[in-house]
Amino acid sequence: DGGITQSPKYLFRKEGQNVTLSCEQNLNHDAMYWYRQDPGQGLRLIYYSQIVNDFQKGDIAEGYSVSREKKESFPLTVTSAQKNPTAFYLCASLRPGQGARGYTFGSGTRLTVV
Amino acid sequence: GESVGLHLPTLSVQEGDNSIINCAYSNSASDYFIWYKQESGKGPQFIIDIRSNMDKRQGQRVTVLLNKTVKHLSLQIAATQPGDSAVYFCAETVLGDYKLSFGAGTTVTVRA
Repeated sequence: DGGITQSPKYLFRKEGQNVTLSCEQNLNHDAMYWYRQDPGQGLRLIYYSQIVNDFQKGDIAEGYSVSREKKESFPLTVTSAQKNPTAFYLCASLRPGQGARGYTFGSGTRLTVV
Repeated sequence: GESVGLHLPTLSVQEGDNSIINCAYSNSASDYFIWYKQESGKGPQFIIDIRSNMDKRQGQRVTVLLNKTVKHLSLQIAATQPGDSAVYFCAETVLGDYKLSFGAGTTVTVRA
């Protein structure tokens, strides 16, 4: 079955450490996205990539970095510059030609700073 | 004037009753809206969508209503079941665009 796989499901980070969240898709989608979800808030866009080797900042990119070396993979690094990294992180990909209706979300990674 | 349903962060519903979840959207230019369901520890799943040239759309046990005058969206779930317990989000965008703006979400709890 095609889909998006995020790993790990739970991640604990010490303050001052960088951590990388994995997102892999086998849907052959060009566009991929990273969202952050906090309790009581809607999803907020961190970074997105519409094609390999290209990506753009979303609304809350500070303290995060991404790479898009392969179509299937869009890892997100939460750096020590992110002051409040504890959140639920969702990766998504977008089927071309369907606009926003074509979103497929992963199951998320819950990051906790300890 | 017409009353607009308030967005509530939580909603408790008796099994078998109908649920109404409200959402106020912010961008007058938005012309495409989606409702998502998110179960605990999972990503959002598409439920139903509606374009701005419609004011009502029905799916299986779900109905979305759109009031463009007051920028309000609602999701009605008929005969709510325990499996409907989840967080429900509305999202808005311009048709053909990729970027979604999400509402804060409503947590629906179904009582047996």
